Amino acid sequence: QSALTQPASVSGSPGQSITISCTGTSGDVGAYNYVSWYQQHPGKAPKLVIYDVSSRPSGVSNRFFGSKSGNTASLTISGLQAEDGADYYCFSYTSSSALYLFGTGTKVAVL
Amino acid sequence: EVQLVESGGGLVKPGGSLGLSCAASGFTFSDACMMWVRQAPGKGLEWVGRIKSKSEGERIDYAAPVRGKFTISRDDSKNTLYLQMNSLETDDTAVYYCATCRGSNDPLSGYYYYYYMDVWGTGTTVTVSS
Repeated sequence: QSALTQPASVSGSPGQSITISCTGTSGDVGAYNYVSWYQQHPGKAPKLVIYDVSSRPSGVSNRFFGSKSGNTASLTISGLQAEDGADYYCFSYTSSSALYLFGTGTKVAVL
Repeated sequence: EVQLVESGGGLVKPGGSLGLSCAASGFTFSDACMMWVRQAPGKGLEWVGRIKSKSEGERIDYAAPVRGKFTISRDDSKNTLYLQMNSLETDDTAVYYCATCRGSNDPLSGYYYYYYMDVWGTGTTVTVSS
């Protein structure tokens, strides 16, 4: 496996909640609670928003919520705001020789 | 303030070499695990490699596409991380980011896993083209 699978795009209206999935295998997402999520605005560096599946770094809004079930991790953004429009990537440690895998990335559009 | 600043990007011909630097400040660089991540134009993020601290044996791991072509090193006396890229191909065209890596101790194995990046540089652009 070369990448974790994410939907190409997700959209929502301001104030709504959206969820981005990140599907891996029993050798990565399913095996470890080592999933993190990154937000990237155009032309900018990625920013950590979730680590350890569901932990938020200091300064990240509590509107960002991470979870995991089986081989799929999820990022939920509640109370969607215009500033949440960005690309989001999941990232996981893997027991395979690849060592680490990024997700394919999801573009979030705030309608 | 914790800061990472990459430099050294530019235009290079296929088959050529280029060296990138990542200057760190605001934290104890010698204790830090560091990663390189790249992003081709219009594409997603791709993990390139990781180097642990000297106290952890400075273990280095690479992604398969760059293994044997790229070399990661560090100079703790200069608070600087390096990425030496040889035999460059057009597919190596990307923005290259350095980042600090963090993790936790697995209670069952006692092994310390690094598995997320908390501080990122602004990136430096490498273009491989004839």
